[in-house]
Amino acid sequence: EAGVTQSPTHLIKTRGQQATLRCSPISGHTSVYWYQQALGLGLQFLLWYDEGEERNRGNFPPRFSGRQFPNYSSELNVNALELEDSALYLCASSSEGQGTTDTQYFGPGTRLTVL
Amino acid sequence: GDSVTQMEGPVTLSEEAFLTINCTYTATGYPSLFWYVQYPGEGLQLLLKATKADDKGSNKGFEATYRKETTSFHLEKGSVQVSDSAVYFCALSDRTNAGKSTFGDGTTLTVKP
Repeated sequence: EAGVTQSPTHLIKTRGQQATLRCSPISGHTSVYWYQQALGLGLQFLLWYDEGEERNRGNFPPRFSGRQFPNYSSELNVNALELEDSALYLCASSSEGQGTTDTQYFGPGTRLTVL
Repeated sequence: GDSVTQMEGPVTLSEEAFLTINCTYTATGYPSLFWYVQYPGEGLQLLLKATKADDKGSNKGFEATYRKETTSFHLEKGSVQVSDSAVYFCALSDRTNAGKSTFGDGTTLTVKP
């Protein structure tokens, strides 16, 4: 069974640009979660999508947005990039859709560097 | 808000030593608790979980018991191996903030032969 996949592996952008990160969940999983792992800040919850709807959002500005497609894959968009957006962005998926007790399966991440 | 506090690392042990990594939490609701492991060069993977008080999660010789009275979920292993060297993250997911997992800062474990 293929795991969660993310693309690209690395992304380099300049300040003010937009970044688009992609995630494909494990087959059969309907929930996708996004996290930011910045140096010194640990893992921070960004977004949770389930069945195409945004179910919950972490404490991030509106320039962090995303969507989930009918095939349950997901996109994270970061507009007006700032230097502090440089981080590893992790995507996870789950099958239960409960959001709380679900086991989340993580992808390898996308390393975003903002110059 | 919710928070998770893990014992500070790094932790260095000899092979076959006993491991404890402390984890305590603060939650507004009744959380589910998780331990994740990140091996060198790999992504996060679930090690074990517990969804209600007094539940014990276990996997690969690791155990953790959900203690509501002490708000703790300490990770233990009786005899560590070199292959257990990794970063361990304690996390919680609270029903009052569904979908959001709150993670501790991670504890780096190095096991020497």
